[in-house]
Amino acid sequence: GAGVSQTPSNKVTEKGKYVELRCDPISGHTALYWYRQSLGQGPEFLIYFQGTGAADDSGLPNDRFFAVRPEGSVSTLKIQRTERGDSAVYLCASSLTGGPLYEQYFGPGTRLTVT
Amino acid sequence: KQEVTQIPAALSVPEGENLVLNCSFTDSAIYNLQWFRQDPGKGLTSLLLIQSSQREQTSGRLNASLDKSSGRSTLYIAASQPGDSATYLCAASFTNAGKSTFGDGTTLTVKP
Repeated sequence: GAGVSQTPSNKVTEKGKYVELRCDPISGHTALYWYRQSLGQGPEFLIYFQGTGAADDSGLPNDRFFAVRPEGSVSTLKIQRTERGDSAVYLCASSLTGGPLYEQYFGPGTRLTVT
Repeated sequence: KQEVTQIPAALSVPEGENLVLNCSFTDSAIYNLQWFRQDPGKGLTSLLLIQSSQREQTSGRLNASLDKSSGRSTLYIAASQPGDSATYLCAASFTNAGKSTFGDGTTLTVKP
């Protein structure tokens, strides 16, 4: 079956612009996670959805970052007034349900470059 | 602060060698420990997931162990092959929500 997909694969934007990054989880997975990975580092947690609700958004760096999952499937990560420091690979993962019993499956990521 | 550390950052071995990758974590009250593989420019591929109640998991040439009391996990790769060359990341869940804290990875090179 299809894995986690993310679009676009690459996004270049100018400082100050607004961007949206999309994640399509594995069908039937109720838990969805967003992470951010900088070069040479492991992914950092941003936000976790269980169904439609954000169960944990403690990793969002500031109020320029926002994510939604209105129908409990596709999720969109939104970044306002982008800054050069936002440049990173944004990874999405899904699992059958929230909690530690199930593996997280990752998408290929969106490479965001802010110029 | 709950942290995950992987040392060394890079490792190079000749083909056929058995090797161990290390992962340490600061909080013994973890819920699970997951090992991933990441190829350059790609996403993460899950290798093994160890629940807090388990001591080890095996898949093919891979064996992962978990010792909560010492705050350590190891990934053992038997009979390494050039195709095993990649970055290996470990991630620990310190909450029952499943979100993970990652180490920075060990980049493995297996030379033919």
